[in-house]
Amino acid sequence: QQQVRQSPQSLTVWEGETAILNCSYEDSTFDYFPWYHQFPGESPALLIAIRPVSNKKEDGRFTIFFNKREKKFSLHIADSQPGDSATYFCAASDYNQGKLIFGQGTKLSIKP
Amino acid sequence: GGIITQTPKFLIGQEGQKLTLKCQQNFNHDTMYWYRQDSGKGLRLIYYSITENDLQKGDLSEGYDASREKKSSFSLTVTSAQKNEMAVFLCASSIRRNTEVFFGKGTRLTVV
Repeated sequence: QQQVRQSPQSLTVWEGETAILNCSYEDSTFDYFPWYHQFPGESPALLIAIRPVSNKKEDGRFTIFFNKREKKFSLHIADSQPGDSATYFCAASDYNQGKLIFGQGTKLSIKP
Repeated sequence: GGIITQTPKFLIGQEGQKLTLKCQQNFNHDTMYWYRQDSGKGLRLIYYSITENDLQKGDLSEGYDASREKKSSFSLTVTSAQKNEMAVFLCASSIRRNTEVFFGKGTRLTVV
């Protein structure tokens, strides 16, 4: 039951470039869309999140773009740094159901 | 700050055995989750509990039971361990649904 789809599975960009990670969802009742990152050997941690009242959320070099009509959202990492290399998970949840569903993850590598 | 403590950190079980994983949080969070993460893959929701007396099945609940003993603790039981099963089970909590989720360090399960 794949309710949140993430692409690409892996992504390599050069240091200083913008990395773009994509997610789509099926359930129109979803109303909270976070991105988590996970470094090897560690647990996932929240990076940034958006609610559908906005179509853009920025936090430093990290920006979420949200398209409610197409049920898509993306994470843009500007000026990528080698320390950004990690696995990134998008997720979605619905307040009424309360469950948080994760995508399959994108393994991001930044080449110096 | 708070912490989510998962015990044990490593669990080796026999095929067919019933195994219990425990999770305690001192955030005073209402909502707790159990996820399974297979190597190099995403997080799949097994069970979650929105409030102290609530229990909900996730997409991967078959083969598992869960119990929210009190607000701070949430346990997961593998009802019959499958041979060659290897995964990390992550417990998580949030102050309420649709807010930031914090993860424990995980229990790594190996079934021989």
